[in-house]
Amino acid sequence: KAGVTQTPRYLIKTRGQQVTLSCSPISGHRSVSWYQQTPGQGLQFLFEYFSETQRNKGNFPGRFSGRQFSNSRSEMNVSTLELGDSALYLCASSPAGTDKETQYFGPGTRLLVL
Amino acid sequence: GNSVTQMEGPVTLSEEAFLTINCTYTATGYPSLFWYVQYPGEGLQLLLKATKADDKGSNKGFEATYRKETTSFHLEKGSVQVSDSAVYFCALSDRDDKIIFGKGTRLHILP
Repeated sequence: KAGVTQTPRYLIKTRGQQVTLSCSPISGHRSVSWYQQTPGQGLQFLFEYFSETQRNKGNFPGRFSGRQFSNSRSEMNVSTLELGDSALYLCASSPAGTDKETQYFGPGTRLLVL
Repeated sequence: GNSVTQMEGPVTLSEEAFLTINCTYTATGYPSLFWYVQYPGEGLQLLLKATKADDKGSNKGFEATYRKETTSFHLEKGSVQVSDSAVYFCALSDRDDKIIFGKGTRLHILP
């Protein structure tokens, strides 16, 4: 079974621009979560989508948004980029059922904002 | 609120040494507990998990026991290898199935 894939792997943007990151979960997984990882703050939860609905949300400003499609693929968007948005953005998918708490991570998208 | 506290790194050990990485948690109810590992340039991988008190998770020679009385989930390995060099994250799953991670502990193993 293919793992979680994220595109692009690397991205360079300038302040004020917007960016869209994509995540394809493991086949059959309906939950997708997004995290921001930085050296200073560690792993911070952004949001979780399940069956195209946002189920959980972390403490990030409204510039960070996401969506999930009917095939469970998810995108996250960051508008009006700031220097502090430079980070590794990780996507994770979870199966339903008894293993629903276990998250399977993608390799991440590394975003650099100049 | 729920939180996870793990020992700060980096932790540097020689090959074949005994490893302990401490992790304690604060949570309401009975969360599931996890250890994830992140190798350089990669995403996180689940290393092991435990879903109830006194459960022991184990994988690749690593072990951790869910201790409700001390709210701890310390990671141990009897003999580390250079290939174990990575960042280790302790985590819990809260009532909303949201995963809360500790800040991570970087482990360096010297040959």
